[in-house]
Amino acid sequence: DAKTTQPPSMDCAEGRAANLPCNHSTISGNEYVYWYRQIHSQGPQYIIHGLKNNETNEMASLIITEDRKSSTLILPHATLRDTAVYYCIPVSYGGYNKLIFGAGTRLAVHP
Amino acid sequence: DAGVIQSPRHEVTEMGQEVTLRCKPISGHDYLFWYRQTMMRGLELLIYFNNNVPIDDSGMPEDRFSAKMPNASFSTLKIQPSEPRDSAVYFCASRKRQVYGYTFGSGTRLTVV
Repeated sequence: DAKTTQPPSMDCAEGRAANLPCNHSTISGNEYVYWYRQIHSQGPQYIIHGLKNNETNEMASLIITEDRKSSTLILPHATLRDTAVYYCIPVSYGGYNKLIFGAGTRLAVHP
Repeated sequence: DAGVIQSPRHEVTEMGQEVTLRCKPISGHDYLFWYRQTMMRGLELLIYFNNNVPIDDSGMPEDRFSAKMPNASFSTLKIQPSEPRDSAVYFCASRKRQVYGYTFGSGTRLTVV
């Protein structure tokens, strides 16, 4: 699986958009990009995933660059409850059962 | 839907004792995973099951660890004998075939003294 690079920490004001970047320059053609988050003292929570098209669901939007070497998770209106560690995880097709969590980005949303 | 249920939430035990962690996956889910989280190593996959059958246990640290899934609604992770370095938060997760997101439980915080 491809390696990822995420900033260790980010800040965001409540109500503003939080844009969390992930670099995955070695991603292969059959690898999806998954995003999970882990709120303090809880288990990780699935957010969204994509292959090459941008995706949106009720939690977030995922923007993947055309060359697929990087992606951005967007929380359009961050709240205090979005304070968490966010993980960007490349997963190969058929490899859904081997999620490898890196260090992630610690997002702090402040009033 | 009660989600993935783990018990106990907290466990404190003495070195050398046997520890059993329990997990009830979401009904209808085909896959069950055990993860361990520590500050030093982050989240690590220990083992996963498909339809109650262990598929990959390459993440199990050593023979002191064992996991079973006797039926679709119950799994255990056992450590015997326990050691202080086993102190961690242990998460169970499940997912349904064709649904790619995992659902994690709230974890069991294990402290071995």
